[in-house]
Amino acid sequence: AQSVTQLGSHVSVSEGALVLLRCNYSSSVPPYLFWYVQYPNQGLQLLLKYTTGATLVKGINGFEAEFKKSETSFHLTKPSAHMSDAAEYFCAVSEGNTPLVFGKGTRLSVIA
Amino acid sequence: DAGVIQSPRHEVTEMGQEVTLRCKPISGHNSLFWYRQTMMRGLELLIYFNNNVPIDDSGMPEDRFSAKMPNASFSTLKIQPSEPRDSAVYFCASRPNGNTEAFFGQGTRLTVV
Repeated sequence: AQSVTQLGSHVSVSEGALVLLRCNYSSSVPPYLFWYVQYPNQGLQLLLKYTTGATLVKGINGFEAEFKKSETSFHLTKPSAHMSDAAEYFCAVSEGNTPLVFGKGTRLSVIA
Repeated sequence: DAGVIQSPRHEVTEMGQEVTLRCKPISGHNSLFWYRQTMMRGLELLIYFNNNVPIDDSGMPEDRFSAKMPNASFSTLKIQPSEPRDSAVYFCASRPNGNTEAFFGQGTRLTVV
């Protein structure tokens, strides 16, 4: 069965610092991997996704993630944090047409 | 496109009452998902439909929960009778055939007192 583990329920960074949110997955077949962002009282918005091909995926708002099969990881990074990046971030996995399975989420705080 | 539309956005009800949450998926999307979000359990899949047919309802917590999709443009999630532990944010999401990511609605925040 698919599963996702997000290390760290809360990450705090200074404005301008590197953002690194960790995600490890489990899947019995080549996975599709996703990062979503949720702002307060909002739904989930797709940041980026990996399906096939290039393992470094670029998304919206300057975020990117790298699929590492050997490490079963799909960590999310951004070189320089902005105040507007403060939100909840969810990693998810699916196996083709199956529903997305989400991690517990990581709340990102950005300190001025 | 207006995106996935959920109603109501907020619902406060008394324990024992029936609650109906509504969802209008994006036109042309043939898969629809209901998720529940709580602090303790995160985002849980309750049920999903493909071409209006329920495919997997193993995530529905109890018989008090039921979901229907009478046509391609409408789905409901009903809780009868509601209990305080049902308090959560309920999300509906849809996905077009052949696509991978799901598109989420704004959610319904349910409070059962």
